[in-house]
Amino acid sequence: EPEVTQTPSHQVTQMGQEVILRCVPISNHLYFYWYRQILGQKVEFLVSFYNNEISEKSEIFDDQFSVERPDGSNFTLKIRSTKLEDSAMYFCASSRTGFNEKLFFGSGTQLSVL
Amino acid sequence: DAKTTQPPSMDCAEGRAANLPCNHSTISGNEYVYWYRQIHSQGPQYIIHGLKNNETNEMASLIITEDRKSSTLILPHATLRDTAVYYCIVRQGGGGNKLTFGTGTQLKVEL
Repeated sequence: EPEVTQTPSHQVTQMGQEVILRCVPISNHLYFYWYRQILGQKVEFLVSFYNNEISEKSEIFDDQFSVERPDGSNFTLKIRSTKLEDSAMYFCASSRTGFNEKLFFGSGTQLSVL
Repeated sequence: DAKTTQPPSMDCAEGRAANLPCNHSTISGNEYVYWYRQIHSQGPQYIIHGLKNNETNEMASLIITEDRKSSTLILPHATLRDTAVYYCIVRQGGGGNKLTFGTGTQLKVEL
């Protein structure tokens, strides 16, 4: 079965540094998402992306966050200046369409901000 | 999206059916019931979804009551690998795939 691939699996960074989390969605999928899960808490929606535009974002997704599909296969989440509270597992997901479709999630990137 | 209520935890013996309940009493006519699971901090995994009819796939069955105010996910022969947090999510069918996760049910399958 096709799968969503995320790299790296673990990322450690210093507070204030920029990080880029990478994802390769399933090849024929058109909608892409980022979620995050702080340790012991719920999985939270960050942003959805379609046709090179953000289609929806949560309150968490402030100006420090950005997403990009730079080359037609990768989908990235950038955090410009990391804070301690950005430490979390970040999950990328994709779906074939944007309507009533199941999401396929990657295995996540564990981000630790020191 | 309508709110869902699930028990925080359940146990099940391996080989037996696991029946996971979910209440969604404020569900509206165009909202679907989705089930996902998360095995030990891995990415959530889609299980099944339905609108009003009962559904079955290779992983599970979904039973939705006639008034649609509650549903049950059935894993017919639970194995140790089914130990996970199971999320019942109600979502509008009209558009958008945003999922709002609750705290789910921690299912523990034991020998």
